[in-house]
Amino acid sequence: GENVEQHPSTLSVQEGDSAVIKCTYSDSASNYFPWYKQELGKRPQLIIDIRSNVGEKKDQRIAVTLNKTAKHFSLHITETQPEDSAVYFCAASDRGADGLTFGKGTHLIIQP
Amino acid sequence: NAGVMQNPRHLVRRRGQEARLRCSPVKGHSHVYWYRQLPEEGLKFMVYLQKENIIDESGMPKERFSAEFPKEGPSILRIQQVVRGDSAAYFCASSDSTDTQYFGPGTRLTVL
Repeated sequence: GENVEQHPSTLSVQEGDSAVIKCTYSDSASNYFPWYKQELGKRPQLIIDIRSNVGEKKDQRIAVTLNKTAKHFSLHITETQPEDSAVYFCAASDRGADGLTFGKGTHLIIQP
Repeated sequence: NAGVMQNPRHLVRRRGQEARLRCSPVKGHSHVYWYRQLPEEGLKFMVYLQKENIIDESGMPKERFSAEFPKEGPSILRIQQVVRGDSAAYFCASSDSTDTQYFGPGTRLTVL
C-alpha cells in the first residue's frame, strides 16, 4: 500500500518569512495530493490540492509543487502570518481506490 | 466544509460498552470515509463507503469495528466492546464524484 513520509515534523519561522514542507510517497499509481491544515481541536481543512497532470498550483500565498518522477511534493507558504500556525498534513490517493494516506504532520510555528 | 456533521462531538464509554458514531455527509455527497486520529499523530484511513455499500475496509480492525451507510440516514461507525486503545478522535469525510474530501468536526471518544 501507499506510504507517505513528511518532513520536518516541526518548523519554526519568523513572521513574514517563507515555510516549506516536503512529502514523499511510494505508490506510483497515486495521482491526487491534497494538503490539510488542522488547528488544535479542530477538523482538518483542505487548503490546496494538486493532481498528477500538473506540476505546480498556486493560490495566493500558498503553492504546491509535484515531481512525479521523484515521487515528492511540497507545500510553500510565503509571507507567513500568525494565523498560519497549525499542523499541516500532506496526503496521497489513487482516485477510485482507497481513502487518503496521510503523512504524520508538520507543526508550523510562526514567531512574531 | 461545514456541511459534514458528526455526532456526538464527545463520547465517553467504559470498557466493554459499545460506541456509535454518526456522520451526515455534505448534501449530495454519496462517498463517505472514516479516519482515526491518535493524539499527536496523523489520520489513519479506516473505511470507505458509498450508499449501502462498503467499498474499501482495508484500514478497519478485523474485530469489533463495523461501518454502514444506509440508503436513508447517516453513516454509522460502530465499535463494540470498547477498550482503552480505542480512545481517539474519529473523523468522517465526504466527497462527491471528485477526489476532494471534506472533513467533519470529529467525535472524540474516551474509554474509561
